[in-house]
Amino acid sequence: DAKTTQPPSMDCAEGRAANLPCNHSTISGNEYVYWYRQIHSQGPQYIIHGLKNNETNEMASLIITEDRKSSTLILPHATLRDTAVYYCIVRANSGSARQLTFGSGTQLTVLP
Amino acid sequence: GAVVSQHPSRVICKSGTSVKIECRSLDFQATTMFWYRQFPKQSLMLMATSNEGSKATYEQGVEKDKFLINHASLTLSTLTVTSAHPEDSSFYICSASFRLAGIETQYFGPGTRLLVL
Repeated sequence: DAKTTQPPSMDCAEGRAANLPCNHSTISGNEYVYWYRQIHSQGPQYIIHGLKNNETNEMASLIITEDRKSSTLILPHATLRDTAVYYCIVRANSGSARQLTFGSGTQLTVLP
Repeated sequence: GAVVSQHPSRVICKSGTSVKIECRSLDFQATTMFWYRQFPKQSLMLMATSNEGSKATYEQGVEKDKFLINHASLTLSTLTVTSAHPEDSSFYICSASFRLAGIETQYFGPGTRLLVL
């Protein structure tokens, strides 16, 4: 069973920030939040991950609420090439729970 | 960094034949690789976990004798679909684990599209 809940689809205007929410209310203390995206007919691409602090890299920012029950992935200036399915996944960093379980994700469509 | 390649990118074969798919980590060593399968309009489903030098661990419902996995080195894992049938037609994707600063992240290959006629 997926441990995360994401809206099935979202639209965003090109050049605007895309904010993708994810609920993970049953997250455990040792589980990280990972974000991947999959452009049509390609393998998933790693975006970012975090434990409890907000994180930023060259692709996106990850905002995790203080209670860690939800997070938001932010693409600051969306482009047409950011159109993809975005997956939010929670996973422990060690032990048998190292595998990634993909849910349905959010289909983000960036509109011109 | 952390690039994973797959070969071939697409393959068409006749029913009953076997197909081998290679997964390579190009710039890092991966003790663990994973194989996923994705049917149209569905999400990725984990098939098996492959550890270098040991037998793969298969997910429930995945036939180990049909999907042979070999992880002979730290940079190469292969998936062989034996006696392929049309229902095996799918998008097969591998990933390799890379550990940095104690955090393990999976990086994915571009996928292999298999069509069995």
